[in-house]
Amino acid sequence: DGGITQSPKYLFRKEGQNVTLSCEQNLNHDAMYWYRQDPGQGLRLIYYSQIVNDFQKGDIAEGYSVSREKKESFPLTVTSAQKNPTAFYLCASSMEGTDTQYFGPGTRLTVL
Amino acid sequence: RKEVEQDPGPFNVPEGATVAFNCTYSNSASQSFFWYRQDCRKEPKLLMSVYSSGNEDGRFTAQLNRASQYISLLIRDSKLSDSATYLCVVTTRSFMNNNAGNMLTFGGGTRLMVKP
Repeated sequence: DGGITQSPKYLFRKEGQNVTLSCEQNLNHDAMYWYRQDPGQGLRLIYYSQIVNDFQKGDIAEGYSVSREKKESFPLTVTSAQKNPTAFYLCASSMEGTDTQYFGPGTRLTVL
Repeated sequence: RKEVEQDPGPFNVPEGATVAFNCTYSNSASQSFFWYRQDCRKEPKLLMSVYSSGNEDGRFTAQLNRASQYISLLIRDSKLSDSATYLCVVTTRSFMNNNAGNMLTFGGGTRLMVKP
């Protein structure tokens, strides 16, 4: 089946540790995105990538890093520099030339 | 002022009721408009795009008023399964130097609870 997968579904980490969230898509979409959602709030853009080996900061990129070595994959690293990392992280993708984005199931990160 | 504003609700309605949500956006240059549905602890899923002429999909009707910069969603004959958070989404700015698409800005969502 075509779609976007994210792993793990739940993730716990200790303060001061870096952690990497996986996002894979087999939709052949060019653009991929990472969002963060806090309780009762809208999604905020962390990073986005339009093509392989290129990515841009979104509105809240501080404390995060990404890579785009393959079209299908766009992993997000939450570093120890991120002051408040506990949140619901959502990955999305879209076809070139379209605005509609499709989301993966999300990863819920909790920092202990 | 937020770029996209929605009444957070919750809207508590009985089954069979008609309910309407509004959303306002601040950027007059916004080009595309959507309603997404998000179930509790799940990812957002596209409900429908919103076109200038208004559009309908079964029990759902979306309207766009560019002059007043608001978007509406009307749900007729509410079902228990309609209980969710409805996110208003607009495109606000373009990517630079290519046509991969505009970036989306999300409202905080309106929560709907349909009761038996």
